[in-house]
Amino acid sequence: QLQQWGAGLLKASETLSLTCAVYGGSFSGHYWNWIRQPPGKGLEWIAKINHSGRTDYNPSLKSRLTISVDTSKNQFSLKLRSVTAADTAVYYCARQTDYGDPRDAFNIWGQGTVVTVSS
Amino acid sequence: DIQMTQSPSSLSASVGDRVTITCRASQTISSYLNWYQQKPGKPPNLLIYAVSTLQSGVPSRFSGSGSGTDFTLTISSLQPEDFATYYCQQSYTTLYSFGQGTKLEIK
Repeated sequence: QLQQWGAGLLKASETLSLTCAVYGGSFSGHYWNWIRQPPGKGLEWIAKINHSGRTDYNPSLKSRLTISVDTSKNQFSLKLRSVTAADTAVYYCARQTDYGDPRDAFNIWGQGTVVTVSS
Repeated sequence: DIQMTQSPSSLSASVGDRVTITCRASQTISSYLNWYQQKPGKPPNLLIYAVSTLQSGVPSRFSGSGSGTDFTLTISSLQPEDFATYYCQQSYTTLYSFGQGTKLEIK
């Protein structure tokens, strides 16, 4: 189970900060992802991290992103700097089991956090 | 970047109908294709991974097929709980990408 939290209302230029806690199951052997969905739109993958801190980022967001992991708490976090209205979305955390083959998929999702950026 | 294109974008159907949704990738993605169902106000839910393998707990009326660039999701007999939005997603490259979604509505 994934439970996520973070500030839901931001002003333009502020930093979005979200955390996702993993309850039950192993923290290793998976990649931990952030995915967002603007209002009424589709899904956009943001970034992923594994238990050892290996990361991958969406190049379109990379310059503003930091993703980190705290294995002592089984948590991972996202920071997105200098937000604008275009970053308004529901942000989800999601688990991807690292098979290294076509079975890789987002098999468990957090409940979502609505983030609104006002100007 | 790999672009995923779904068709149709929306679909009206009745309970008991057989429905097919198509997903096309802008380049070959082998078998790295997954399908998700999303209901309003909820996170997506994994239905099918690796083209055709049903996630645990998913009813057998859902099936997937395809390879390379062209894939389909079929629901053999629509149930009331199946009316939702469906997304395909490629995991062939780490810049994961989703289709734009197909909204399945009650006729």
